[in-house]
Amino acid sequence: DVKVTQSSRYLVKRTGEKVFLECVQDMDHENMFWYRQDPGLGLRLIYFSYDVKMKEKGDIPEGYSVSREKKERFSLILESASTNQTSMYLCASSLYRNEAFFGQGTRLTVV
Amino acid sequence: AQKITQTQPGMFVQEKEAVTLDCTYDTSDPSYGLFWYKQPSSGEMIFLIYQGSYDQQNATEGRYSLNFQKARKSANLVISASQLGDSAMYFCAMRVNNAGNMLTFGGGTRLMVKP
Repeated sequence: DVKVTQSSRYLVKRTGEKVFLECVQDMDHENMFWYRQDPGLGLRLIYFSYDVKMKEKGDIPEGYSVSREKKERFSLILESASTNQTSMYLCASSLYRNEAFFGQGTRLTVV
Repeated sequence: AQKITQTQPGMFVQEKEAVTLDCTYDTSDPSYGLFWYKQPSSGEMIFLIYQGSYDQQNATEGRYSLNFQKARKSANLVISASQLGDSAMYFCAMRVNNAGNMLTFGGGTRLMVKP
């Protein structure tokens, strides 16, 4: 069974903290994605990766970075969290051009 | 740049009736794929249906069908015989095959099914 796991369901962090969101998939997918979801704005792509150590900017990369050292793991990093990064974060993975499978989401609150 | 537009923020449909959710897209690449996802209140993202840009026939999956009009760049989702469990957010997405498999989503449509 396909599985994408995000390390936390809920997170509360302080402004200025460095925040790591982890995502692991067990399907040997080459593509992995990070989105943020805000009401009325849908899912906006932050970064994606099509191979180990490869990364591409999405539509809203500012304030974020990513790391993909192993095929199964894709990390999203907020170098210095700000209140406008309070959001739901969704990780997804896909095999080549097939449909993407999503994790359960991480609701991040920055106070 | 790729763009997906869903113009209906919210819609109501009577139970057992059919409903069409609109999606238009913009890309200059001839090779792409279009996807629809459902997100119920529990938050999980559920894949519903896929249409490739070179597919000759409209995709169907059970009660879901995709009305693909390539010249108009539209990929509307049709749900037949609506059920109460269809109440959810619905997202249209596009993957452009020459853009590193980047997957872009629209803003979503909230569908509410009335008993």
